[in-house]
Amino acid sequence: QQPVQSPQAVILREGEDAVINCSSSKALYSVHWYRQKHGEAPVFLMILLKGGEQKGHDKISASFNEKKQQSSLYLTASQLSYSGTYFCGTVKAAGNKLTFGGGTRVLVKP
Amino acid sequence: EPEVTQTPSHQVTQMGQEVILRCVPISNHLYFYWYRQILGQKVEFLVSFYNNEISEKSEIFDDQFSVERPDGSNFTLKIRSTKLEDSAMYFCASSDLGRGGQPQHFGDGTRLSIL
Repeated sequence: QQPVQSPQAVILREGEDAVINCSSSKALYSVHWYRQKHGEAPVFLMILLKGGEQKGHDKISASFNEKKQQSSLYLTASQLSYSGTYFCGTVKAAGNKLTFGGGTRVLVKP
Repeated sequence: EPEVTQTPSHQVTQMGQEVILRCVPISNHLYFYWYRQILGQKVEFLVSFYNNEISEKSEIFDDQFSVERPDGSNFTLKIRSTKLEDSAMYFCASSDLGRGGQPQHFGDGTRLSIL
């Protein structure tokens, strides 16, 4: 069963912030975040492991609430290069198969 | 930085023909994966491969699909008798360990067009 992402799309002005959520009905081992630009491969951003950790990569950070089985990706002070589709991929315990959500399209305008 | 490479970048094939998609995973990685993405949709898992055997596969990966590691560097996906609905972008990925806490690095993909 695939994770549910929200919102489906977001439009930002450069410098604005956004939050993308990824929820699962199943117990998760880890959540992976990827960004995909049109016509390109998904690019790995970060992994969150169960245990409720938070990670950051430049001005993009993420958290994982194990109790809620929900991860959030935070885009802070967005840049034009942040535009793309963000996918969360989840891994259940005892596996390595990534199940991707439907994606969130992010458009950052000048 | 090491990367996953895939060939060809675009493959056009007649329906019913066999097609082989090729991938060279990152050299010290042990786990290999194929995913596909139909235009405008999400990425879907097909199969994972470790130690010369399939470790997990999805419902999509039926008898017309097979994977092989023919030598120490290549990892291939074969579709025996292609159908129109096989048209998609196929991504190969690899990770150094199979535990779900390791990043999977994707290649640039092969766009498969079935006519």
